[in-house]
Amino acid sequence: AQTVTQSQPEMSVQEAETVTLSCTYDTSENNYYLFWYKQPPSRQMILVIRQEAYKQQNATENRLSVNFQKAAKSFSLKISDSQLGDTAMYFCAFTLYTGANSKLTFGKGITLSVRP
Amino acid sequence: NAGVTQTPKFQVLKTGQSMTLQCAQDMNHNSMYWYRQDPGMGLRLIYYSASEGTTDKGEVPNGYNVSRLNKREFSLRLESAAPSQTSVYFCASSPLAGGSNTQYFGPGTRLTVL
Repeated sequence: AQTVTQSQPEMSVQEAETVTLSCTYDTSENNYYLFWYKQPPSRQMILVIRQEAYKQQNATENRLSVNFQKAAKSFSLKISDSQLGDTAMYFCAFTLYTGANSKLTFGKGITLSVRP
Repeated sequence: NAGVTQTPKFQVLKTGQSMTLQCAQDMNHNSMYWYRQDPGMGLRLIYYSASEGTTDKGEVPNGYNVSRLNKREFSLRLESAAPSQTSVYFCASSPLAGGSNTQYFGPGTRLTVL
């Protein structure tokens, strides 16, 4: 079974600074996808970035980027120029690259607070 | 487009009562999912429906039933609620089945069982 570990329950960062959220996963498979989901205080979860394991290039999305290290099974999220609106819970998620029954496995999440 | 909608937003039940959580999506998605979120546990999949007419168990299906009423609607039923089912419930949908497809989430239902 696949597992996703987010070992830091909480982090805090000053506005405009950079923060990195850690995620590790465990799988014996070679083809899979990784995701970071954001859950703001409103509770609605949204996908912020995804990475295909077969791609060597790290995904980026505006101020967000990932550091994907396949051999180390590590998938961290870097938020640059942090803004107050980045305050949220962030979940790392994993799924295998296999048909209709492949499902998302989520980590426990990390609460990020951006200080003004 | 409203996206994924859930009703109710909040609910308080007594142990043994039953209720149905409703979920609807207007994005013409084929697949729908029910998760529960508990403090320190992340999201765990209860049931999912890869396509209209099919449902399958997820990680934590005990105590729940689901109905894929049509392509738009996917309901979750608690037949005899227990305090252990106190949680926040999220419905999600995706264009196709398979975790590689982006899932779109509803706003959640906060359920308390006394």
